[in-house]
Amino acid sequence: NAGVTQTPKFQVLKTGQSMTLQCAQDMNHNSMYWYRQDPGMGLRLIYYSASEGTTDKGEVPNGYNVSRLNKREFSLRLESAAPSQTSVYFCASREAQGGYGYTFGSGTRLTVV
Amino acid sequence: QKEVEQDPGPLSVPEGAIVSLNCTYSNSAFQYFMWYRQYSRKGPELLMYTYSSGNKEDGRFTAQVDKSSKYISLFIRDSQPSDSATYLCAMSGNTGNQFYFGTGTSLTVIP
Repeated sequence: NAGVTQTPKFQVLKTGQSMTLQCAQDMNHNSMYWYRQDPGMGLRLIYYSASEGTTDKGEVPNGYNVSRLNKREFSLRLESAAPSQTSVYFCASREAQGGYGYTFGSGTRLTVV
Repeated sequence: QKEVEQDPGPLSVPEGAIVSLNCTYSNSAFQYFMWYRQYSRKGPELLMYTYSSGNKEDGRFTAQVDKSSKYISLFIRDSQPSDSATYLCAMSGNTGNQFYFGTGTSLTVIP
């Protein structure tokens, strides 16, 4: 099925550990995004890639890095995890800039202890 | 002040009721308005999309945008138990690089 695939679905980290969240889309979309979702805060943009080869910071980029590996793949890295990064992370993609809506992945539930 | 305000609910209605979900916003530059539905432990899925002011209807769903009041609404007619989910509003300006989301309204439709 076409869509956005995220791995892993669940992860528990210890404070200070690092990890990379993977995202791939097979819809030939140009733009890809990483959001985090926290209770009472809604979805907040961490980083985005408007097109292959470009990345930009969103609303809450501190503590994260991203890599747009190719048109299909966009990864999010936590270099030194902190409890404040406990959240549900969603990757999304979109055909182009403008008014078209996102297609979201199913999310990665991350707990940092 | 948040860019987008949305009443978190929870909202509980009987099957067949008309549901009204609302968001207000502060940025007059917003041009694109969307509603997403999110089932528990799933990613959000796009439900409705509108540009600028006006109404848009799709089956049992109607989206309204009133830019003069900075107010958007989603109406669900003949609500069904399968409509039980969290509904998120989202909006952006012309660049479309960043969408601002409401916190979501939790809806339960009771059979």
